[in-house]
Amino acid sequence: DVKVTQSSRYLVKRTGEKVFLECVQDMDHENMFWYRQDPGLGLRLIYFSYDVKMKEKGDIPEGYSVSREKKERFSLILESASTNQTSMYLCASSFYAGRGTDTQYFGPGTRLTVL
Amino acid sequence: KNEVEQSPQNLTAQEGEFITINCSYSVGISALHWLQQHPGGGIVSLFMLSSGKKKHGRLIATINIQEKHSSLHITASHPRDSAVYICAVDTDKLIFGTGTRLQVFP
Repeated sequence: DVKVTQSSRYLVKRTGEKVFLECVQDMDHENMFWYRQDPGLGLRLIYFSYDVKMKEKGDIPEGYSVSREKKERFSLILESASTNQTSMYLCASSFYAGRGTDTQYFGPGTRLTVL
Repeated sequence: KNEVEQSPQNLTAQEGEFITINCSYSVGISALHWLQQHPGGGIVSLFMLSSGKKKHGRLIATINIQEKHSSLHITASHPRDSAVYICAVDTDKLIFGTGTRLQVFP
């Protein structure tokens, strides 16, 4: 079974803090994704990566950066957390087949609260 | 107008009922995904389809490409089917609907 794990289920941070969210997958997938999920808006793509050290902006990259130094690990960084970044963050991975044309496997999510 | 619309937004059912969730979209797609999200957040992929119909256990997904419409059916619903069901369409990225919250009561 594919397993996608995220470093924390719940996280509380203060405004202005630097926040790291980590995602690890164990199936040698090329593609990895970071989404945020907000009520009434559905999942929105923040960034995705199709290979080590490669990244592409999604629909809402402002205020975020990412790092992919190893194939299995994809980190989302909030450089200076703000209250409007309070959300559920979901990581996903898939075999390489373009940006979406394959089944994506999701992690359990991290619920981030910024005070 | 959202590119992916789901209906209904909320659905309650008695155990054993036949359930239908609908998804309409307005863009050209290569495939459509149905996903299930249980309380607590984890998302599981149920189906990926580009034509016709797929069945897995009590779940059936259909798609009509010409009408830009897909349905997810649950036969003999059970309380453990209670979850949010999400439709996502595949363009060069996934575009997600806002989900249908299903509650099945014993």
